[in-house]
Amino acid sequence: KNEVEQSPQNLTAQEGEFITINCSYSVGISALHWLQQHPGGGIVSLFMLSSGKKKHGRLIATINIQEKHSSLHITASHPRDSAVYICAAKLPSGGSYIPTFGRGTSLIVHP
Amino acid sequence: GAGVSQSPSNKVTEKGKDVELRCDPISGHTALYWYRQSLGQGLEFLIYFQGNSAPDKSGLPSDRFSAERTGGSVSTLTIQRTQQEDSAVYLCASSSQGARTEAFFGQGTRLTVV
Repeated sequence: KNEVEQSPQNLTAQEGEFITINCSYSVGISALHWLQQHPGGGIVSLFMLSSGKKKHGRLIATINIQEKHSSLHITASHPRDSAVYICAAKLPSGGSYIPTFGRGTSLIVHP
Repeated sequence: GAGVSQSPSNKVTEKGKDVELRCDPISGHTALYWYRQSLGQGLEFLIYFQGNSAPDKSGLPSDRFSAERTGGSVSTLTIQRTQQEDSAVYLCASSSQGARTEAFFGQGTRLTVV
């Protein structure tokens, strides 16, 4: 069982729709990271959060530590949001914290 | 530049050859990670360096893979006797000390073993 689970695996939306991507993890973490990977492979950091909620433009990330769950929301989606979104939880490993990645959510936004 | 720099960006090599991939982390970042992403797959952890501590090598897939970090800065990932299944994008990330710090990724090295 992957320690970091993302859903859905694939997501198709029409421009303007509100999008939610979910991430759940199985053990206590120090922080959770949302990443965006565009075709071509470059990875961009979106958010790092350890509690509460963060907002940047049309992107909102929330985390519930007790429920071991985080969500990434995209408001008023646009075709340029099409990418793979990856959550990474820093899981304890022998006294340090190693980022463990979900399998990613592939988002396609149609005009 | 201010970001994580990886070189080369692309590498094509013949099966059986050795390759070296380089990562220049952000200045001052004490943590450095190597990951790989095979075609259509998620990110796979390879190795983690933190300061002067012994590296966490738990993700290295075989003894053909090794990595070092000189002077707490530049890191080199070496793959000996490359195999076709080693073909992947190799990504490096660095972060400052602390469990709640953000990791910054390089653009990766796309390795193709023919």
